[in-house]
Amino acid sequence: DAKTTQPPSMDCAEGRAANLPCNHSTISGNEYVYWYRQIHSQGPQYIIHGLKNNETNEMASLIITEDRKSSTLILPHATLRDTAVYYCIVRPQTGANNLFFGTGTRLTVIP
Amino acid sequence: DSGVTQTPKHLITATGQRVTLRCSPRSGDLSVYWYQQSLDQGLQFLIQYYNGEERAKGNILERFSAQQFPDLHSELNLSSLELGDSALYFCASSRLITDTQYFGPGTRLTVL
Repeated sequence: DAKTTQPPSMDCAEGRAANLPCNHSTISGNEYVYWYRQIHSQGPQYIIHGLKNNETNEMASLIITEDRKSSTLILPHATLRDTAVYYCIVRPQTGANNLFFGTGTRLTVIP
Repeated sequence: DSGVTQTPKHLITATGQRVTLRCSPRSGDLSVYWYQQSLDQGLQFLIQYYNGEERAKGNILERFSAQQFPDLHSELNLSSLELGDSALYFCASSRLITDTQYFGPGTRLTVL
């Protein structure tokens, strides 16, 4: 069942930061927030995940609100190759590890 | 490149036939997952194996079965194929049961 809500589509100018929001108001204390993206029909690509604290890696930053009910994925300098469908997924720390992919946000980076 | 490999890349077959999709997980990963992505259903979890044993089942049809072998590669068997089984089939792997999953490039199945 969908535990997250994302806007269906967003545009971003090349070179600008892309901020992709995700609502997960029913998240439990032991659930991670994961982000994946899928470029065209390729396999989903892992981007980043977090529990409570903000996280950053070479691909992106993840900002999680203090109440953990929403988060934002930030691509600091979007390129045309970042055009993809971005999925925000809530997943428990233990137990079932199957991922539920909703409809995601289709990000289009515009030259 | 995630390190997960899937073969074949494309498969075209006829209704009623049986096919086998193969997945090799990343080196050191013990858990394998299968997902189906069709146009009308999106990405759906089918089944998970961990170190050779089935761990979780999702929306997998009875006509579909899977297994994980001692060398940890996995096969997804689809039988009595129907037009509606045409889809992308992805395999993912993780080191342990609850670790991050990394996806393969997928197998595109077309049933004519």
